[in-house]
Amino acid sequence: EIVMTQSPATLSVSPGERATLSCRASQSVSSKLAWYQQKPGQAPRLLIYGASTRATGIPARFSGSGSGTEFTLTISSLQSEDFAVYYCQQYNDWYTFGQGTKLEIK
Amino acid sequence: QVQLVESGGGVVQPGWSLRLSCAASGFTFSSSVIHWVRQTPGKGLEWVAVISSDGSNKYYADSVKGRFTLSRDNSKNTLYLQMNSLRPEDTAVYYCAREMAAHQHFDYWGQGTLVTVSS
Repeated sequence: EIVMTQSPATLSVSPGERATLSCRASQSVSSKLAWYQQKPGQAPRLLIYGASTRATGIPARFSGSGSGTEFTLTISSLQSEDFAVYYCQQYNDWYTFGQGTKLEIK
Repeated sequence: QVQLVESGGGVVQPGWSLRLSCAASGFTFSSSVIHWVRQTPGKGLEWVAVISSDGSNKYYADSVKGRFTLSRDNSKNTLYLQMNSLRPEDTAVYYCAREMAAHQHFDYWGQGTLVTVSS
């Protein structure tokens, strides 16, 4: 099983600043990596797939990068609605998720 | 718009059975691969199972293999997850999610249904 490790577990950032979230795979997943956003009481929402392609309707302030085992989600200028939990998921070898990064207001 | 609505969750005792449903609308259900994913505070998000568009292929996580069974009725745009021999560790919010065509990630998720297994 491919293990996905996200860091940090919690990230405190002020509105308007940049947030950088990391995701590491225990073995290469090529570019088969997605990022999801989840708010309390809601289902996960797709943000990024193929490591760097924004899903339909996702603002340009969200960007993804990386390949192989190291991936990054960057939110360029945090808006109030961006504070949530973010998960990465690999779909190269079945499906596994990271444990999540909670993005909180500083 | 694409909608997935889960139902059938509840509180059951260990060893009991439960059937979850996932009703779809807003897209061509009969052409879509659908997954189940569950979420617990302790283990986070865990992929559970997947069924092909015509229902002929089904795959399960090792943790549920032999106990859970997927089926679908494309005439009713509905997916079913039959869960037998439930264990306390099956307690979770269960989501159905659509696999994006020609890709393998999940582009739409339902709101989830809570399953609690407790004596």
